[in-house]
Amino acid sequence: GAGVSQSPSNKVTEKGKDVELRCDPISGHTALYWYRQSLGQGLEFLIYFQGNSAPDKSGLPSDRFSAERTGGSVSTLTIQRTQQEDSAVYLCASSPYTQETQYFGPGTRLLVL
Amino acid sequence: QKEVEQDPGPLSVPEGAIVSLNCTYSNSAFQYFMWYRQYSRKGPELLMYTYSSGNKEDGRFTAQVDKSSKYISLFIRDSQPSDSATYLCAMSAGAAGNKLTFGGGTRVLVKP
Repeated sequence: GAGVSQSPSNKVTEKGKDVELRCDPISGHTALYWYRQSLGQGLEFLIYFQGNSAPDKSGLPSDRFSAERTGGSVSTLTIQRTQQEDSAVYLCASSPYTQETQYFGPGTRLLVL
Repeated sequence: QKEVEQDPGPLSVPEGAIVSLNCTYSNSAFQYFMWYRQYSRKGPELLMYTYSSGNKEDGRFTAQVDKSSKYISLFIRDSQPSDSATYLCAMSAGAAGNKLTFGGGTRVLVKP
């Protein structure tokens, strides 16, 4: 079946611009996660959505970062006023409610110039 | 100090050798342990999943968890050049919905 998909696959932007990254989870998966992978920092948790519950935003690095999940499916991660240190690969993962394992998408490579 | 420590490598082995990877962790609340494989410019792919202490085998892969020592391992038997990738350990503290905490990854190169 179809896996987690993310778009765009690559994004180059200028410092100060806003960007939106999209994630389509595996059909039927109720949990959705965003992670960031950067050199020197490894893979870091950003935010987690589960059904209609309030999201766990404990990993968001600043208030420039926000995410939403519409209709319990597609999610958008928004970074406002991008900075060069935001350059990284942003990975989305999903999982069924009753499982702990997470399945990752291919990621969006963000470069802030 | 990071919660999960993993040697970055690179680890270079000849084809057919056993690859041995490991992670140590400090958070005793971790109960769920996973290994992911990540090829260059791709997302992590789940390889093995283990709950609590013990061993699990799947084909050429064996995962071991020793919670008393806070140490987990992944062994790859009869390694192939296609096994060349970065291997990430990951773990979580609770039931479904818990965030994963990752090691930094070990880069493995299997030479033909």
